[in-house]
Amino acid sequence: GNSVTQMEGPVTLSEEAFLTINCTYTATGYPSLFWYVQYPGEGLQLLLKATKADDKGSNKGFEATYRKETTSFHLEKGSVQVSDSAVYFCALNSGGSNYKLTFGKGTLLTVNP
Amino acid sequence: GAVVSQHPSWVICKSGTSVKIECRSLDFQATTMFWYRQFPKQSLMLMATSNEGSKATYEQGVEKDKFLINHASLTLSTLTVTSAHPEDSSFYICSASRGPGTEAFFGQGTRLTVV
Repeated sequence: GNSVTQMEGPVTLSEEAFLTINCTYTATGYPSLFWYVQYPGEGLQLLLKATKADDKGSNKGFEATYRKETTSFHLEKGSVQVSDSAVYFCALNSGGSNYKLTFGKGTLLTVNP
Repeated sequence: GAVVSQHPSWVICKSGTSVKIECRSLDFQATTMFWYRQFPKQSLMLMATSNEGSKATYEQGVEKDKFLINHASLTLSTLTVTSAHPEDSSFYICSASRGPGTEAFFGQGTRLTVV
């Protein structure tokens, strides 16, 4: 079956530090890959996505590249801000007619000023 | 935008009672809605998928008689936890999409505590 493994948290960084959150997946076929972000007290929001190999998703300074050869979709940001503090979820959709997502466990990021 | 609202945000109920959680798409028509459960420090686990006007499709291991899902309109789906027990305490999250293969938007979640 499908599964997503992401880096265990929590991750604590200082403002302007470089961020990497690792994510690898197991799936049949050709999944689409996503990063969602959950700010405190809010629902999940789509941060970025990639639908095929070598695609790069980007948004708000975050990037992730769909690497089929390593089955990875690592999230990166060059310079984090305090406002980036949140829980980040890696997810995949293995296709089909339903938008049915398989999530990783989430990684809590705390950015200190 | 595409706003999905869940109500209530949190609820405490006594063991043996039933609790209803609502999920509404506020500014779009949601053909498909999904219900997830999230345990502490765990990922979101899909419980069921519901399409407007038809019965929900439950994931393996989810008791459909315990977690009743109704999707009677294009803007509202409800999850009723029947005869709740402490082990049902969890964070329940819904998402809604306009149609097959389209992006799903998430509600803010409902924290259920059964005492």
